[in-house]
Amino acid sequence: QVQLVESGGGVVQPERSLRLSCAASGFTISSYDMHWVRQAPGKGLEWVAVISSDGSNKYYADSVKGRFTISRDNSKNTLYLQMNSLRAEDTALYYCAKDGFLDWGQGTLVTVSS
Amino acid sequence: SHELTQPSSVSVSPGQTARITCSGDVLAKKFARWFQQKPGQAPVLVIYKDTERPSGIPERFSGSRSGTTVTLTISGAQVEDEADYYCYSAADNNYVFGSGTKVTVL
Repeated sequence: QVQLVESGGGVVQPERSLRLSCAASGFTISSYDMHWVRQAPGKGLEWVAVISSDGSNKYYADSVKGRFTISRDNSKNTLYLQMNSLRAEDTALYYCAKDGFLDWGQGTLVTVSS
Repeated sequence: SHELTQPSSVSVSPGQTARITCSGDVLAKKFARWFQQKPGQAPVLVIYKDTERPSGIPERFSGSRSGTTVTLTISGAQVEDEADYYCYSAADNNYVFGSGTKVTVL
């Protein structure tokens, strides 16, 4: 059974950094592209980033390009999102999802506030 | 960047048919997916490849396409179908969700 569990969220001051993790079980992440999607409070879904199955290709939303980095540790079967230079507008629930979007985690909340 | 346009809200009476449209240039190149999201829950995939329904999704959910507009149809809407619905597509390394449609069943 596929399971995705996000962690690492919390309250952080503007311009600080945070790293989110997504631990996968029930499948091998190295066989799939993996995505991060976020949802600001009361707002819609926003795609954030994707990493290809072999890790060679990474793409980002314009809103996070240059500040966020997606990565994976296949030995730990875990996906990451390194978030730097955080802004108030990055406040959101962050989901990881397996390619195809049939499987999602429950999300981890990031609040950027002074 | 690409955009996908959806109506902000749709209302339907129980047992009637709800239709949600999604339009955008990116749909000329790629298939669409549709997601249902209820409050406090992660999104659930209800349609992929424009018209395909994942296992476990009720038959009352169906998808169709006309040019660069895709439509999610809920035939015989149930009270439990009340939720936010999002379309999604990806092309040329641009990945985009629609703005979302709140479906009210009353």
